[in-house]
Amino acid sequence: EAQVTQNPRYLITVTGKKLTVTCSQNMNHEYMSWYRQDPGLGLRQIYYSMNVEVTDKGDVPEGYKVSRKEKRNFPLILESPSPNQTSLYFCASSRGLYYNSPLHFGNGTRLTVT
Amino acid sequence: SQQGEEDPQALSIQEGENATMNCSYKTSINNLQWYRQNSGRGLVHLILIRSNEREKHSGRLRVTLDTSKKSSSLLITASRAADTASYFCATDLAGNSGYSTLTFGKGTMLLVSP
Repeated sequence: EAQVTQNPRYLITVTGKKLTVTCSQNMNHEYMSWYRQDPGLGLRQIYYSMNVEVTDKGDVPEGYKVSRKEKRNFPLILESPSPNQTSLYFCASSRGLYYNSPLHFGNGTRLTVT
Repeated sequence: SQQGEEDPQALSIQEGENATMNCSYKTSINNLQWYRQNSGRGLVHLILIRSNEREKHSGRLRVTLDTSKKSSSLLITASRAADTASYFCATDLAGNSGYSTLTFGKGTMLLVSP
């Protein structure tokens, strides 16, 4: 089944403790992206990747890191999480925005930083 | 940066009625997409309309695009309780680098009562 898999689904952590949210897609998609969703603010893009080893900042990249060593994986790293990073996070992928192709989303990771 | 803005923010209707949601945007686009999100879950792609198209249908969904007014509408006909969800428009911008970016609005929350 074609899908984007994020883990974990829920995560509660403390300020400053490094964490990684994994994202994997099985559709051989070139484009991958991370979004955060907050009430009243909608979805905001954190980072995106057009292909392996190519990553770019989105609208709200501060406090986050990503890597794209393989086509299928695009982990989101919070080196020193803070309470303002408490949010619902989504990973998404597509063939590539050149192709007028839709995004496929994972089921989300609800992160709470205390 | 936020590009698309949905209107209304919330809509409550009875089963069987039609639901219309609007999206306005600011700059030139390659395409405009509509997504649906059930509470706390990942977004699901509904329909994509290219900048040179004016209307598109998919089942009970009808999307129009008016590039002169920089606006789009999503019509759901004969709504069902299962249509209760948030609906987002996303604009695929024509970037200067040759790559395009997808930007989401804040969504319309639709409640369909039995």
